[in-house]
Amino acid sequence: KAGVTQTPRYLIKTRGQQVTLSCSPISGHRSVSWYQQTPGQGLQFLFEYFSETQRNKGNFPGRFSGRQFSNSRSEMNVSTLELGDSALYLCASSLVDREWYEQYFGPGTRLTVT
Amino acid sequence: DQQVKQNSPSLSVQEGRISILNCDYTNSMFDYFLWYKKYPAEGPTFLISISSIKDKNEDGRFTVFLNKSAKHLSLHIVPSQPGDSAVYFCAASEISTQGGSEKLVFGKGTKLTVNP
Repeated sequence: KAGVTQTPRYLIKTRGQQVTLSCSPISGHRSVSWYQQTPGQGLQFLFEYFSETQRNKGNFPGRFSGRQFSNSRSEMNVSTLELGDSALYLCASSLVDREWYEQYFGPGTRLTVT
Repeated sequence: DQQVKQNSPSLSVQEGRISILNCDYTNSMFDYFLWYKKYPAEGPTFLISISSIKDKNEDGRFTVFLNKSAKHLSLHIVPSQPGDSAVYFCAASEISTQGGSEKLVFGKGTKLTVNP
């Protein structure tokens, strides 16, 4: 079974621009979560989508948004990029079973804002 | 406020010995705990988990212990191997009452180095 895939793997953007990152979950997984990893803050939860609905959201400004499509693929968008948005953005998918909560991560998208 | 804490940023162990990674949490609503391993330039890989109704879960060389009263969990790796060298993240999950939504809260990680 193919793992979680994320595109692109690397991205360089300029302050003020916007960016869209894509995530394809493991086949059959309906929940997709997004995390931001930075050296200072570690892994921080951005949001979770299930059946095209955002069910949970972390403490990030409204510049960070996402969506999920009917095939469970997800995108996240960051508008008006700031230097502090430079980070590794990780997507994770899970099966969503009340007895099974493991999340499986993709390799991440390394975003650099200059 | 950091709800999941890994107080040791690094740990060095000899091959064949036991590695013990520790994690503390503050939120008593957490009911599921996970350990992830991360190599550079890769996403975290799920390692082992434990539900709050248990105090121990074992999978091969990996054992996780949970002490709910102390709000503490630990990961034991026995015997440690050089390939275990990675950053280990502890994570906790609080299951939302609305539709089972999950959110993982991560510690900042402990870098384990297993020396040959």
